[in-house]
Amino acid sequence: IAGITQAPTSQILAAGRRMTLRCTQDMRHNAMYWYRQDLGLGLRLIHYSNTAGTTGKGEVPDGYSVSRANTDDFPLTLASAVPSQTSVYFCASSLTSSYNEQFFGPGTRLTVL
Amino acid sequence: GDSVTQMEGPVTLSEEAFLTINCTYTATGYPSLFWYVQYPGEGLQLLLKATKADDKGSNKGFEATYRKETTSFHLEKGSVQVSDSAVYFCALSERTGRRALTFGSGTRLQVQP
Repeated sequence: IAGITQAPTSQILAAGRRMTLRCTQDMRHNAMYWYRQDLGLGLRLIHYSNTAGTTGKGEVPDGYSVSRANTDDFPLTLASAVPSQTSVYFCASSLTSSYNEQFFGPGTRLTVL
Repeated sequence: GDSVTQMEGPVTLSEEAFLTINCTYTATGYPSLFWYVQYPGEGLQLLLKATKADDKGSNKGFEATYRKETTSFHLEKGSVQVSDSAVYFCALSERTGRRALTFGSGTRLQVQP
């Protein structure tokens, strides 16, 4: 089934631990994005990638890193999790960075204790 | 920077009532405008979009018109159903630069039978 998958669905993590959220799309989209959703704040962009091999910082990048080794995968890493990173994380993709209809994954609910 | 402002929720309506969710934006350029919908426990889905002034986006009975003079993109539906209960996000995307979506904070709609 075409679309975006994210893993895990949910995770409880101790503060200070390292965590990687996975995102894979099979639509051959060039551009991919990571957002976090917090109540009352909508979705905020963490990092983005316009094409494989390139990444950029979004609105709230601190404490997160990404890589884009190929077209399909765009993992998000929390090097040392803190409670303020408790959130729902959504991965999204679009055909190109200039084709601005984005498709979203189902999300990962992360709780940092 | 760019921003999107939506009316506060929740909005509670009876079935078959008329719906308006207000959205205004601030942007340095000439953005594309979107409405996304998030059903409980799911990711965001594109509901409708408009890419230039006076364009009307429509889908599933929902409509929104791109008003450049008032920098608005209000969502309307003539007769809501219980199945429309969800959170609605207004968003914009600039035509240059990062092109990621800037979201409003979301408006929860509850439709009662």
